[in-house]
Amino acid sequence: QSALTQPRSVSGSPGQSVTISCTGTSSDVGGYHYVSWYQQHPGKVPKLMIYDVSKRPSGVPDRFSGSKSGNTASLTISGLQAEDEADYYCCSYVGTYTFVVFGGGTKLTVL
Amino acid sequence: QVQLQESGPGLVKPSETLSLTCTVSGGSISRGYWSWIRQSPGKGLECIGYIHYSGSTNYNPSLKSRVIMSVDTSKNQFSLKLSSVTAADTAVYYCATEELTGTYWYFDLWGRGTLVTVSS
Repeated sequence: QSALTQPRSVSGSPGQSVTISCTGTSSDVGGYHYVSWYQQHPGKVPKLMIYDVSKRPSGVPDRFSGSKSGNTASLTISGLQAEDEADYYCCSYVGTYTFVVFGGGTKLTVL
Repeated sequence: QVQLQESGPGLVKPSETLSLTCTVSGGSISRGYWSWIRQSPGKGLECIGYIHYSGSTNYNPSLKSRVIMSVDTSKNQFSLKLSSVTAADTAVYYCATEELTGTYWYFDLWGRGTLVTVSS
């Protein structure tokens, strides 16, 4: 199972919005409603930010939103803040045997 | 609240077996799924597999021939063994679980991670 495709880096200024894409296939992103997004600051543990494509766990700011169209999922961060600078990974369920596949990660820089 | 803590050797020789244990505190392991995820230096995340508290397992097909996971409910621990390791297995190994939906494809609770280096 190949990793999901994410841009290596994105950037934005404080207050702006950025969108990170995550492209897979009909066997993963396009086939299930089980896409999640993780935020990882340097040297820290990944944190679940979005699950079920667009749901936010308790405590995650509503500036973070998720969506999906076809085989591509997206994470949008609005009202960028300096603390949002981190690596972001998408993840998709891919069925019983392989179960999950991650994207390669996107480094978000807040200018 | 529930916390996870990995333990095990930080250095393993090539061709030997990597063994890690994850201790669950603040709650019972006798619910849901418990996973191992690794992250090679400067690289992305890779799910190694998961074990249900009942003992049923599911492993990443790319690692399946080398992985064994087990659970010890009396000790509130689950373990990972990865055999015939090479330098490519050098990574930070995380244990993780999911409390939101009770599934094995999300990870909302992670251990702090432990770096395992494969080197002679």
